[in-house]
Amino acid sequence: NAGVTQTPKFRILKIGQSMTLQCAQDMNHNYMYWYRQDPGMGLKLIYYSVGAGITDKGEVPNGYNVSRSTTEDFPLRLELAAPSQTSVYFCASSRMTGYEQYFGPGTRLTVT
Amino acid sequence: KQEVTQIPAALSVPEGENLVLNCSFTDSAIYNLQWFRQDPGKGLTSLLLIQSSQREQTSGRLNASLDKSSGRSTLYIAASQPGDSATYLCAVSLKETSGSRLTFGEGTQLTVNP
Repeated sequence: NAGVTQTPKFRILKIGQSMTLQCAQDMNHNYMYWYRQDPGMGLKLIYYSVGAGITDKGEVPNGYNVSRSTTEDFPLRLELAAPSQTSVYFCASSRMTGYEQYFGPGTRLTVT
Repeated sequence: KQEVTQIPAALSVPEGENLVLNCSFTDSAIYNLQWFRQDPGKGLTSLLLIQSSQREQTSGRLNASLDKSSGRSTLYIAASQPGDSATYLCAVSLKETSGSRLTFGEGTQLTVNP
């Protein structure tokens, strides 16, 4: 199993541009999550999904959108990128709520 | 709002020492608590998960304890090795979310010197 994969690894965006961060898992997990980690800080939850077609906001959802059309994929969309969105983005998955979460390697995004 | 604090922020020890990392949380109505390891430039690796009904979990040289009433957890690392050098993150989920939303501490950066 590849586990949780994320693409791209690095990206530089200009202010106002849009992009989609890709996340996929091959463990047939129901739950998927998007976090951001700012330098020297813990992770903050952006959005999560409890299954295909069902998503919910986390702690810091503003400026982001998600969709989940399949069990495997959970893309994160940034519209009108702002410097405040410069961060490292992590995708994670778990079999059920309250179970161990498995993390991808992250996407380092810089908005200038 | 749940807040998670980790002390110390950084720790440097000689190889072979036993050490303790601390995590405290403000809302004791937790669903579970997890300890993660993060290597530089990498994702997180789950080390131990303690359910709210448990007092401790062990994996190899790692032992995590949970005291819900005082809002504390400790991660004990026995006989530390240079390969243990990493940032250790504590995260809790609340009962009201049935464990679906984790709140993270800022981490303890551990350096084990040969």
